[in-house]
Amino acid sequence: AQSVTQLDSQVPVFEEAPVELRCNYSSSVSVYLFWYVQYPNQGLQLLLKYLSGSTLVKGINGFEAEFNKSQTSFHLRKPSVHISDTAEYFCAVTEGGGADGLTFGKGTHLIIQP
Amino acid sequence: DSGVTQTPKHLITATGQRVTLRCSPRSGDLSVYWYQQSLDQGLQFLIQYYNGEERAKGNILERFSAQQFPDLHSELNLSSLELGDSALYFCASSIRQGGLTGELFFGEGSRLTVL
Repeated sequence: AQSVTQLDSQVPVFEEAPVELRCNYSSSVSVYLFWYVQYPNQGLQLLLKYLSGSTLVKGINGFEAEFNKSQTSFHLRKPSVHISDTAEYFCAVTEGGGADGLTFGKGTHLIIQP
Repeated sequence: DSGVTQTPKHLITATGQRVTLRCSPRSGDLSVYWYQQSLDQGLQFLIQYYNGEERAKGNILERFSAQQFPDLHSELNLSSLELGDSALYFCASSIRQGGLTGELFFGEGSRLTVL
């Protein structure tokens, strides 16, 4: 069975500093990986996804993530954060052939400090 | 705006009661997913429907049931409610055409409070 581990429940970062949110997954088969963002009092919105091809994936709002199969990781990065990036970030995985019930990590709360 | 509509946005009820949450997917999306989000359990997949048929089942309690209607809207029924059922319930939809498109579009959720 697939699972996702987000190693940090909370990450405080100063504005304009770089940030990395960590995500590791476990699966016995090939996977598709996603990062979603949840702003306060809103639903989840897709930031980026890895399905195949280049291991470096670029998403919205300046975020990018790198798929590392040997380390079973899919860390999310942004070179310079803004106060508006304050939100909950979720890593998710699905195995093989479809978006059948994405398995989500517990989320990382990104706190931007002025 | 994701195009997924959930009602009601907020619901307060008592233990032992029954509630129905409603979801209208994005126009053209055939798949509907239900998730439960709570502080201790995080985001838990409950159930998926595709074009009216149950497609996948997750951690859904026997007290909970769902269905997808011919017009593709879906309802999640929660019965014999307990305090622990208090959570944010999300509906998501996606296109499914025999292969992965990957993205789920989420509604803003229905916040259920059981007193």
